[in-house]
Amino acid sequence: EPEVTQTPSHQVTQMGQEVILRCVPISNHLYFYWYRQILGQKVEFLVSFYNNEISEKSEIFDDQFSVERPDGSNFTLKIRSTKLEDSAMYFCASSDSGLYINEQFFGPGTRLTVL
Amino acid sequence: GENVEQHPSTLSVQEGDSAVIKCTYSDSASNYFPWYKQELGKRPQLIIDIRSNVGEKKDQRIAVTLNKTAKHFSLHITETQPEDSAVYFCAASRNLGRLYFGRGTQLTVWP
Repeated sequence: EPEVTQTPSHQVTQMGQEVILRCVPISNHLYFYWYRQILGQKVEFLVSFYNNEISEKSEIFDDQFSVERPDGSNFTLKIRSTKLEDSAMYFCASSDSGLYINEQFFGPGTRLTVL
Repeated sequence: GENVEQHPSTLSVQEGDSAVIKCTYSDSASNYFPWYKQELGKRPQLIIDIRSNVGEKKDQRIAVTLNKTAKHFSLHITETQPEDSAVYFCAASRNLGRLYFGRGTQLTVWP
């Protein structure tokens, strides 16, 4: 069964550094999402992406964040200048364009640690 | 925006007993209600979902009920097993929209 994949599994960075988190959505999916989960808390929406543009973003997704689909398979989240409070698990998700368009399938996550 | 409340935050049951987790939502335009199971350090896994044109859905030991008038939906797990132990999240969304998650329920099934 196809799955969403993410790299790296764990990223450690210094405060103020830029990080890029990578995701490969399920191949026939057209809708892509980033969520984050601070340890012990609920999953929070960051941004959704369709047809090469952002379709919705949350208040968390400020100017420090950007997303890109650089080619036909990858979907990236960039944090320009990381802060301590960006430490979290970041999940990518993707969704089909067919009958069950709402179903979002999550990747294994990237644990980001900002020191 | 949507607000999803989930109760209880922790739930302990004996193996073989049933477990019920309840969620409420605020946005009457929400029409899709998935449940995710998350084991420690793992990704959230979709276990069952329900759409607003259906009142109940069942998949083996798992069932979900939806009351659109009252804006609440529930997860029912029967004949619980130790491997059911995990954090369960409810969520709500509109078509193609972001998922709004509840705060999660830590379910522990004791053998």
